[in-house]
Amino acid sequence: GAVVSQHPSRVICKSGTSVKIECRSLDFQATTMFWYRQFPKKSLMLMATSNEGSKATYEQGVEKDKFLINHASLTLSTLTVTSAHPEDSSFYICSAKKREGQFEQYFGPGTRLTVT
Amino acid sequence: AQSVTQPDIHITVSEGASLELRCNYSYGATPYLFWYVQSPGQGLQLLLKYFSGDTLVQGIKGFEAEFKRSQSSFNLRKPSVHWSDAAEYFCAVGAYGGYNKLIFGAGTRLAVHP
Repeated sequence: GAVVSQHPSRVICKSGTSVKIECRSLDFQATTMFWYRQFPKKSLMLMATSNEGSKATYEQGVEKDKFLINHASLTLSTLTVTSAHPEDSSFYICSAKKREGQFEQYFGPGTRLTVT
Repeated sequence: AQSVTQPDIHITVSEGASLELRCNYSYGATPYLFWYVQSPGQGLQLLLKYFSGDTLVQGIKGFEAEFKRSQSSFNLRKPSVHWSDAAEYFCAVGAYGGYNKLIFGAGTRLAVHP
C-alpha cells in the first residue's frame, strides 16, 4: 500500500497565531512531498514541493515566509502557517511520491484550517 | 507547457446510466496521465493511470479510461454508475522538470440521481 496521513484533520486558530500541519507517509519512504491548497469547489493549487533534507521549492506567488515547510525525514513533512489570517482559511492537502516513482502521488486526507 | 482541460464542470447522471468524463491534455511527448477522485472533505484517491502500452486502462471501482493520442484525450468511463460514485473527478498530467509534479485539471463534479 501507499498510505499518507495528515494531522490534524481540522483545526481552528485565532488570527495572528501559527498552526502546524503534519504529513506522514506511513508505509513507504517519500523523497518528495507536495503541499496543495484547495478552495471550495476548485481544483488543487500546488503551493510547494519539498525534498527530504533540502529547502522547499515554492510556486510563484506563494509566500515562503508565511508557509514554512520542513521535510525532516523520509516520512514526515510539515507545513506551518505563520501569523494566520482569515484569508488563509482553506483545505490543505499533502501528497507524497515514492523514491522509485516518477509522477504518481499518494494523497493525504486533507486538513481543514479555519482562522477566526 | 503542459496543461489539462476538463470541459465539463458539472455532470448529472441517473444511477445505472453510463458515464464519460472528458479530459484533454497539452503535451508534446507521450504523457503520463492520471485520474483521481475526491469525495467531499477528503483527499484524492487514484482511480487509474496511463504511462505506456495498452491505451485502454482499467482502474478501481469499475472505471476505465482510454488514451487517444490523435485527440489528446484521456476520457474516463464507467458503464453503470452507482450513487456512491458522486464525487469530484480530477484528470492530471505529469510535468517533467524539477520534482516532476502533476498538473491538474479544474475537476468535474459528478452528481448521481436515484
